[in-house]
Amino acid sequence: GAGVSQSPSNKVTEKGKDVELRCDPISGHTALYWYRQSLGQGLEFLIYFQGNSAPDKSGLPSDRFSAERTGGSVSTLTIQRTQQEDSAVYLCASSSFTGTGTYGYTFGSGTRLTIV
Amino acid sequence: KQEVTQIPAALSVPEGENLVLNCSFTDSAIYNLQWFRQDPGKGLTSLLLIQSSQREQTSGRLNASLDKSSGRSTLYIAASQPGDSATYLCAGDNTDKLIFGTGTRLQVFP
Repeated sequence: GAGVSQSPSNKVTEKGKDVELRCDPISGHTALYWYRQSLGQGLEFLIYFQGNSAPDKSGLPSDRFSAERTGGSVSTLTIQRTQQEDSAVYLCASSSFTGTGTYGYTFGSGTRLTIV
Repeated sequence: KQEVTQIPAALSVPEGENLVLNCSFTDSAIYNLQWFRQDPGKGLTSLLLIQSSQREQTSGRLNASLDKSSGRSTLYIAASQPGDSATYLCAGDNTDKLIFGTGTRLQVFP
C-alpha cells in the first residue's frame, strides 16, 4: 500500500484480556518497528524487525508483550493479560534498510488502546 | 545510552515569526537525524531526513541542520503559520532504531 496501515485504530478492552494489534508496512520495506506513546510521554521503542527476525526486543516492557512478523510483511503485537498501564497509542513504522543507513521511517496512524 | 533532548518544550508565537527548534543528543554515533510533526491524536508525519553524509535538508519553509560533532540538530521554520501548530519531534537513528526526543509543542496564533 501507499502507507503504513494499522488496525484497529481504536481498541477498548477490559483489564486482563488479551489484545492483538496489527501493522501492515509499506510494500518492500524490510524493517518494521513498534513504538508506544503513553499520555503526555515521548515515544518509547518496543521492538524492531528486520525481515521476519527481531534483532532488538529490548523495549518490550514485560513478558506479557510479544510480536511476530510473517512473510516479511504484516506484524502483530500481542499484549496478554492487559493492565491499565498498557493504555497508550501504539505506533508502527517501516523503513527500507540499505545497510548503509535507512531512507527514513514512515509511521502509521497508530492504535489507541484503552484498558478499562 | 542515547538520549535526545529538545528545547524549548513549548513555544507560542504570533503568525509570521521565524522559529528555531533545537535538538541535542548525547551519543555522536548517531547515523541519521529525522524531524517529525505530530498533530493531536494523530500519527507522525516525516518532515525532513538528514542522512549521515549530509549536513542539512530543506523543504519549503523548513530547514534542518545536523552537526554531529556537537551533537545538535536545528529545525528552522520560516514565516510561521497557524497550520504549523503541532508537536515537533526529532529522532536519531543508530542504525537499528530511532530514539526520539521529548518534543517541542508549538502553537502559532493568528
